Amino acid sequence: GENVEQHPSTLSVQEGDSAVIKCTYSDSASNYFPWYKQELGKGPQLIIDIRSNVGEKKDQRIAVTLNKTAKHFSLHITETQPEDSAVYFCAASKTGNQFYFGTGTSLTVIP
Amino acid sequence: DAGITQSPRYKITETGRQVTLMCHQTWSHSYMFWYRQDLGHGLRLIYYSAAADITDKGEVPDGYVVSRSKTENFPLTLESATRSQTSVYFCASRNGFQETQYFGPGTRLLVL
Repeated sequence: GENVEQHPSTLSVQEGDSAVIKCTYSDSASNYFPWYKQELGKGPQLIIDIRSNVGEKKDQRIAVTLNKTAKHFSLHITETQPEDSAVYFCAASKTGNQFYFGTGTSLTVIP
Repeated sequence: DAGITQSPRYKITETGRQVTLMCHQTWSHSYMFWYRQDLGHGLRLIYYSAAADITDKGEVPDGYVVSRSKTENFPLTLESATRSQTSVYFCASRNGFQETQYFGPGTRLLVL
């Protein structure tokens, strides 16, 4: 099956700085890559996703890049704010049903 | 619009007991999913369902049973709970046209 690795496991940044989280995947057939944000005591919430026919996608302060050749994708958050503090998960899927998640990155934005 | 809800939110049970976790969604999504979340493993898929009466195994199905008699409900049953099933369980759903899965608030289960 698919194997998704996520780094780093923890990340601290100063408010206003950028944060980058990286994931690699093993199955070249994976074609859908969502990113979820999970706040304490809540379920994961989709923040951005990308499909394999696109190299980059942006939504305001959040962007995701995908390198199919290297089988890695990254989440970029610019101008970080304290409310960005949460756990972020990447995932990979080739069917839309079997999602394989990374182990999460705990992001802390220091005011 | 409640979206997707789970009950109970917290449950303590003992080894060997049967436990059922409930999931209900109001979007009429055709697909529903059960995940467990454990430290060091992220979220792992237990079972999913493409429609009423259609279910399929995920990555970690052993020890779990699911059913789906109605589109809006997808209960997960632990027939004989074990300590290794202590976890946070998330239900999710999606429609048939997009891959995006929407998650419920989770059920925290402790098996003593």
